[in-house]
Formats: sequence, structure tokens, C-alpha cells
Amino acid sequence: GAVVSQHPSWVICKSGTSVKIECRSLDFQATTMFWYRQFPKQSLMLMATSNEGSKATYEQGVEKDKFLINHASLTLSTLTVTSAHPEDSSFYICSARPLTELAYNEQFFGPGTRLTVL
Amino acid sequence: DAKTTQPPSMDCAEGRAANLPCNHSTISGNEYVYWYRQIHSQGPQYIIHGLKNNETNEMASLIITEDRKSSTLILPHATLRDTAVYYCIVRIITAGNKLTFGGGTRVLVKP
Repeated sequence: GAVVSQHPSWVICKSGTSVKIECRSLDFQATTMFWYRQFPKQSLMLMATSNEGSKATYEQGVEKDKFLINHASLTLSTLTVTSAHPEDSSFYICSARPLTELAYNEQFFGPGTRLTVL
Repeated sequence: DAKTTQPPSMDCAEGRAANLPCNHSTISGNEYVYWYRQIHSQGPQYIIHGLKNNETNEMASLIITEDRKSSTLILPHATLRDTAVYYCIVRIITAGNKLTFGGGTRVLVKP
């Protein structure tokens, strides 16, 4: 099956610093990647939709200047949390939609990145 | 996308079938029923999807009622590794369409 990786798997940073999270589709090309955030014991909340070569589309209430998304190639999207604060501590998950839709699925999820801001 | 309702939690015995219900009474004719699961601290994993016919794969079976207002995911022989949160999602399959996750059902498989 199609594999999506995220790096790093976990990160701890100081308040005020910026953190970059990478999402890669390892064995397929993805026109669209999605970024989700999940707080403890809550469901996944979509943050933004990222299309290769164009600006990301952010969900209502998500600050685009704080969560910078870059999708420069068909296999890589990055999420940068700028000036992170403790309330940004969360589990960040990306998913990738293949360029060619497969018969049984349309999105493949990464393993997630746990961000802790001190 | 139509809203779904799932019980917040359920327990099941290892080796027995686990039947997970989902209510989607406002589903429209072109919306599919998808099931994903999320094991603790991992990304979601696709399980199965269907439109109106029952579906089966190596992981599970999906039973959709004739009026399509509800469905049941069946894990035929639950194992401890099936402990996870299971999400039922209904959606139209179109280009770029996003997944909207509800609360899901937290399933605990007990030995």
C-alpha cells in the first residue's frame, strides 16, 4: 500500500520558536495533502488543504500566518508552526491524496508528529 | 457531508465479533460510507467503504441498511490489536474532497 511519512515523529521546543514538520508520500505522487490537528481525547480537525504549486486553503479559524504550509513538490508538504506557544502543543497528522486515485482509498495518512511547546 | 452518530465507546471480547453501529439518517444518494480507525498515537487507517451494497475485505465487513440511514462495521474476530477509535464518515467522492472526522467510537478489546 501507499506510504506517507512524517518527520519528526515528535518534537519539543521552547515557546516563541518555529517548528517545521515534513510530510512525504514515499511511493506515490500526491496532488493534494491535508494537515490535521488532534488534541488529547479529541477527534482530528482539518487545518488546511495543500495543493502542489499553489497556496494552501485554510479552514475557518486556522491562522494562515501562524501555520505556514508549503507544497513545493508532488511528494513533499511542510507545515511550519511559527512562534509556537504551549497551546499549539498537539498531534499533527498529514494525509496525501494520490495523483491517480486508487480503487479502494483516496487518502493515506502519516503516522503523526507530536509537538510539545514548553 | 452528512453528519454521523456513533456510540462514544464500547467493549468487546477478544475472539468475538465486534459490531460497530453508525447512524447517518441524512445521507444523500451520492454519499459513500467510509470507515477509518486510529490506534493510539498513530495516524488513521482506512478500513472499508461502500455505497449501498454490503462490502467485505480482509479487515472487516460493512453492512448498510436498505434505506442507507445506518450501517454496521463488523470485525469478525476481534483481537487486542483492534483496540482503537473507529470513525464512520459519509462523503461524496469528488476531486479534492476532504474527510470530516466526528467523535468516533472508542473500542476496547478485552482478553
